[in-house]
Amino acid sequence: NAGVTQTPKFQVLKTGQSMTLQCAQDMNHNSMYWYRQDPGMGLRLIYYSASEGTTDKGEVPNGYNVSRLNKREFSLRLESAAPSQTSVYFCASRDREGNEKLFFGSGTQLSVL
Amino acid sequence: AQKITQTQPGMFVQEKEAVTLDCTYDTSDPSYGLFWYKQPSSGEMIFLIYQGSYDQQNATEGRYSLNFQKARKSANLVISASQLGDSAMYFCAMRGSRGGYNKLIFGAGTRLAVHP
Repeated sequence: NAGVTQTPKFQVLKTGQSMTLQCAQDMNHNSMYWYRQDPGMGLRLIYYSASEGTTDKGEVPNGYNVSRLNKREFSLRLESAAPSQTSVYFCASRDREGNEKLFFGSGTQLSVL
Repeated sequence: AQKITQTQPGMFVQEKEAVTLDCTYDTSDPSYGLFWYKQPSSGEMIFLIYQGSYDQQNATEGRYSLNFQKARKSANLVISASQLGDSAMYFCAMRGSRGGYNKLIFGAGTRLAVHP
């Protein structure tokens, strides 16, 4: 009963370092999403993948890249981390158009020093 | 432009009482959807309830109901018979009809504390 699994749960980076946040879902969902959550701002969409093999920019894509490796996995990469990318990152998935419910992972707390 | 406003940074309620969390929205889309999510201290986001803009009746899910007033552009969450486990952050969100789910936007959230 895993649902959406994100790794790591916590990460500290120095400015300029790179890292990849991993996300996997075991619900056979088509669509997957990456959000960031900053204090007082709710969640903002970084990138999404409507189906395997496709990715599109969301509201705040600058400084990030994504890969939809297969139907299960959707990774988020920070090529050169900046302090402005300190945030909590959430991965989410949805099975099909018309089903409104998003399933979220437990989040990754990232600090960039 | 689409916008979600939650004007209550924090709310508290006595256990077993009802509480209303406010949400107003702004959109020019003729068709849209409204959501509420719960985020407990553990951090995960939990879907609570959904209301479509053309739904005739207010959505209900157990102790949660959505008071949808289309003319006033409000979508308040009502939690009946509050429980200690309801203490959490609550986010209102909206999906527009153009661009589909990738245009889901969230409010800033309301922190609810349930007191015994």
